[in-house]
Formats: sequence, structure tokens, C-alpha cells
Amino acid sequence: AQTVTQSQPEMSVQEAETVTLSCTYDTSESDYYLFWYKQPPSRQMILVIRQEAYKQQNATENRFSVNFQKAAKSFSLKISDSQLGDAAMYFCAYRARGTSGSRLTFGEGTQLTVNP
Amino acid sequence: GAGVSQTPSNKVTEKGKYVELRCDPISGHTALYWYRQSLGQGPEFLIYFQGTGAADDSGLPNDRFFAVRPEGSVSTLKIQRTERGDSAVYLCASSPSPTAGELFFGEGSRLTVL
Repeated sequence: AQTVTQSQPEMSVQEAETVTLSCTYDTSESDYYLFWYKQPPSRQMILVIRQEAYKQQNATENRFSVNFQKAAKSFSLKISDSQLGDAAMYFCAYRARGTSGSRLTFGEGTQLTVNP
Repeated sequence: GAGVSQTPSNKVTEKGKYVELRCDPISGHTALYWYRQSLGQGPEFLIYFQGTGAADDSGLPNDRFFAVRPEGSVSTLKIQRTERGDSAVYLCASSPSPTAGELFFGEGSRLTVL
């Protein structure tokens, strides 16, 4: 079974600084997706960034980028120029590709605080 | 609608009562998922629908939990004889494909069992 581990229950960062959230996963599949979702107090899961395992290039979305290390099964999220609106719970998630109905498997989450 | 819609937003009920939670997915999304999220934890998979049929219900915790999607669009999660341990946020998500890409989530239904 696939597992996703986030070892940092809480992180904090100063506004305008950079922070990195860690994630490791375990799978026997070779083709899959990895995601970072953000969950503010409104409860809605919002997709931040996604990475397809067959792509060697790390995904980037504006101030958000990932460091995907497939052999190490590591998938960290870097937030640059942190803003107050980035404060939220962040979840790393895994989804097998090509398996019908494949579910998302989530980590336990990292609560990010942004200090003004 | 533009996004996944869930109702009610909040539901308070007494132990032993029956509860229904509704999910209206994004139009055209054939795959629909239910998750349960306890306080301070990541969402846990409950059940997945492809069209009208439950393709994977391996995450349902026991036979008090049941879900339907009779017309392949709106889904209802049903909980019988609720227990205090059922208190959680129930998230619904949909996807245009069961095999690729991300899931799109609603804002969840918070269930509190007194």
C-alpha cells in the first residue's frame, strides 16, 4: 500500500522569506502523480502544484516549486516570498497513474504559519 | 456549477440518529470520491464512484456507512445510527478522469455527533 509521510506537523516563516515543507512517500508503482494541496480554515482543498513522476523537471507555479527526488521518494515544496495568505495546512498527496479509480493518499499535513 | 458543492456545510445530530450528506460534483466529472477528515489529520478515503456504481468502497469503516450515486452525478453519503466517533469533516471530490490528474474538492460537511 502507498503511504505518504510529512514529518513536520508545524512550520513557521517570516513574511517575504522562503520555507520548505518536506514529504516522503512509499510506493511500488513507477508511474504516478504527486500533489501539494493547501487547506485554509474554509476547509476546501486547493491544489497548489502537481508533479508527474515520469517528468524529470521539477514543477513550478509562480512562488511555489518542488524538489522531486524519485529515487529517494522525496517531494518537498518550496514557497518563496511567503505571504500572509499562504498560511494554511499543507498536504502532500500521492495518486497512482493509469489505475482505474485510483484514490489520493494524503500525508498528515503541515500547519504553516506566516509571521508579519 | 463551477465547483464541487456539498450540503449541509454543518450538521449537528444526536447519537443514534440517521444523517445524509450530499455532494454535487463538477459537471461532466465521472469520478466521485468521499473522504473523511478528523481534526488535525489528513483526509482518509471512504468510497469511489465511476458513473453510477461504487467501484471501490474499501474505505467505508463499517456497515453503518453507505453511499449512492443513482444518476451518475449527485452523490449522497448516508450514516446510520451515528456515533460520537463519526464526528469529522466529510469531503467530496470529483475528477474528469479516474486514471489521471488531480481531484477537485468541495468545502466539506462538518458532522458533529453529540
